[in-house]
Amino acid sequence: DTGVSQDPRHKITKRGQNVTFRCDPISEHNRLYWYRQTLGQGPEFLTYFQNEAQLEKSRLLSDRFSAERPKGSFSTLEIQRTEQGDSAMYLCASSQIPGTSGSGRTDTQYFGPGTRLTVL
Amino acid sequence: GENVEQHPSTLSVQEGDSAVIKCTYSDSASNYFPWYKQELGKRPQLIIDIRSNVGEKKDQRIAVTLNKTAKHFSLHITETQPEDSAVYFCAASINTGFQKLVFGTGTRLLVSP
Repeated sequence: DTGVSQDPRHKITKRGQNVTFRCDPISEHNRLYWYRQTLGQGPEFLTYFQNEAQLEKSRLLSDRFSAERPKGSFSTLEIQRTEQGDSAMYLCASSQIPGTSGSGRTDTQYFGPGTRLTVL
Repeated sequence: GENVEQHPSTLSVQEGDSAVIKCTYSDSASNYFPWYKQELGKRPQLIIDIRSNVGEKKDQRIAVTLNKTAKHFSLHITETQPEDSAVYFCAASINTGFQKLVFGTGTRLLVSP
């Protein structure tokens, strides 16, 4: 499978614990996005990376959340001191800067399967 | 910021009927409008998209129309099949150096055999 992958697929944790999720984008994609999806809602934008640079963060991303993409390839999303309100599906997506070479349609966002977080 | 409203929230049709899902957006600067299909427990998958310089786009049984003046766009599925059953999300975005998608709340489509 050469699509976007995420790990783990499910995470159950107790309130106050820290959790970290990983996203591996499609290999030639230089753009990477994190979204959060709660039950019955559409995905909500959290943050965006172009290569290793984090260029935009939503106000939804409180200071308990941090994301990195250290080598411009995979990305991690860490949530510190988890709260029950953090329970959601965390989706990663990747795309390619328009005009660059590679497979697929440029600038189209391809989603991973998500990590479902449950905070008890 | 951009706000996207999507209707209906649920839609039940008989196999072979057509289905139409409508979305409105608030920011006239939005220029890209994708539609994603999400089956239960699976990732959102792009099924069709349209850019603001085009009024209509079709791909087999799926079509999308865009009315920039009214700031609304619609997804049309003809000859529906049970495998079309899923949640469909519309999104709108402005290119501010990248496409920051703002999603609607989704439409659950149920196609009965």
